[in-house]
Amino acid sequence: NAGVMQNPRHLVRRRGQEARLRCSPMKGHSHVYWYRQLPEEGLKFMVYLQKENIIDESGMPKERFSAEFPKEGPSILRIQQVVRGDSAAYFCASSPPGGGEGHEQYFGPGTRLTVT
Amino acid sequence: SQQGEEDPQALSIQEGENATMNCSYKTSINNLQWYRQNSGRGLVHLILIRSNEREKHSGRLRVTLDTSKKSSSLLITASRAADTASYFCVGAGGTSYGKLTFGQGTILTVHP
Repeated sequence: NAGVMQNPRHLVRRRGQEARLRCSPMKGHSHVYWYRQLPEEGLKFMVYLQKENIIDESGMPKERFSAEFPKEGPSILRIQQVVRGDSAAYFCASSPPGGGEGHEQYFGPGTRLTVT
Repeated sequence: SQQGEEDPQALSIQEGENATMNCSYKTSINNLQWYRQNSGRGLVHLILIRSNEREKHSGRLRVTLDTSKKSSSLLITASRAADTASYFCVGAGGTSYGKLTFGQGTILTVHP
């Protein structure tokens, strides 16, 4: 059973460009979470999605950031008009149905975004 | 979820020794989870202990939970250099609907 997959592993973007980060959850998992880790900081929750629904986006910046988890295909975290402060490691995690009960989450290897 | 506060912030030991990390949280939880993060990599789920459990074992890991004190401890026995990582505890479940709130963690360094 493959783990959570994220791609690309490394992404370099110039200021003003768009960044698209992809996450494929573990087989059978219907809950996806995105976290961001700034240099020398802990992980911060961004958004929690189920198929075709955003459940909690309380950690998402109000502008430029969006996330989706379509019926088919991976979850996408999209950052428009990137700025240097967006440089961070972005981690995706997934859990089985019943996420509200506090299931353990399985993390992907992360995408390291560098904005130049 | 609610953020756990890990203690100590850093722990340095020799290979073969035991490592004990503590965690405190503030409100009621359904379960408490421990995660490990090796430098710059994704988190790995180590163990989950439910609120009605007091102790749980997994390999060299032993976790205790005291809901009356709102505290937990993680014991790693016979540590190895590969155990060098940051360790985080998270109180989960309830109305938080899945998101995990991580603290600063305990940085464990195991010297060979």
